[in-house]
Amino acid sequence: EVQLVESGGGLVQPGGSLRLFCAASGFTFSTAAMTWVRQAPGKGLEWVSSINYSGGTTYYADSVKGRFTISRDNSKNTLYLQMNSLRAEDTAVYYCAKDMVLNHYWYYFVDVWGKGTTVTVSS
Amino acid sequence: EIVLTQSPGTLSLSPGERATLSCRASQSVTSFYLAWYQQKPGQAPRLLIYDASTRATGTPDRFSGSGSGTDFTLTVSRLEPEDFAVYYCQQYGSSSRTFGQGTKVEIK
Repeated sequence: EVQLVESGGGLVQPGGSLRLFCAASGFTFSTAAMTWVRQAPGKGLEWVSSINYSGGTTYYADSVKGRFTISRDNSKNTLYLQMNSLRAEDTAVYYCAKDMVLNHYWYYFVDVWGKGTTVTVSS
Repeated sequence: EIVLTQSPGTLSLSPGERATLSCRASQSVTSFYLAWYQQKPGQAPRLLIYDASTRATGTPDRFSGSGSGTDFTLTVSRLEPEDFAVYYCQQYGSSSRTFGQGTKVEIK
C-alpha cells in the first residue's frame, strides 16, 4: 500500500524555523516526483514546492521562494521541507504528495496524498 | 500565473440529483492539463480526474470531466451520500500549478 506520513509540524513563533518530514513507503520513492501542498484553516489548497526524482530540479511558489527549501533523501525514502522566516500566513496543514509520473514524464499533479501535518505560526 | 475560478461556490442538491461544477481559467490550459480532486472534512484531498476527462483509479463512473481551453466541467451524474464534499480543480500546464478556490457540494 502506498503511504506518505508527514511529521515535524507544530507551533513556532513568527520568524522561526521548522523542518517537515515525509516518510514514503509502498512505491519506488527514488523514481517519484514529490510535492508539498498546504491548506490554511478553512481555505483552499495552495501548491508550495515540488522536487524531481533525483533532487536536481526544484520548484517553489512565489509565496515561499527564498524562505522554504525542499529536499529528499532517496536512501531513507524521505522528503523534507525546511521552512525559515515563518510568517502567520504560513499557518496551514501541510500535505506531502506524490506527483504522477508516466513513462518517465513528470505530470504536475498529485496522485497520492499524505494525511498532513499542522504548522501554526503564532506568538 | 493561470487563475482558476470555480463556480458555484456552493451547490445544494439532494442525493440522486446531477451535479455540474465549473472551472474557468484566466488563460488557455495547455493540452487538457486539468485535474479534479475531492476533499471531505478532516481528510486529505483525493484525485478524481486528470487530463480533463480521465478517471483516476478507483473513481466511480458517475464522475465525468470535460472541457478544454479555458472552460472545464466536472459532472456527477447521480449524487451518492458519500459525494457531498468540496471539489477543487487544478491546472498543471506548467511547473507553477494552481488550484481553484473550490466548490462545496452540500446536501439540500
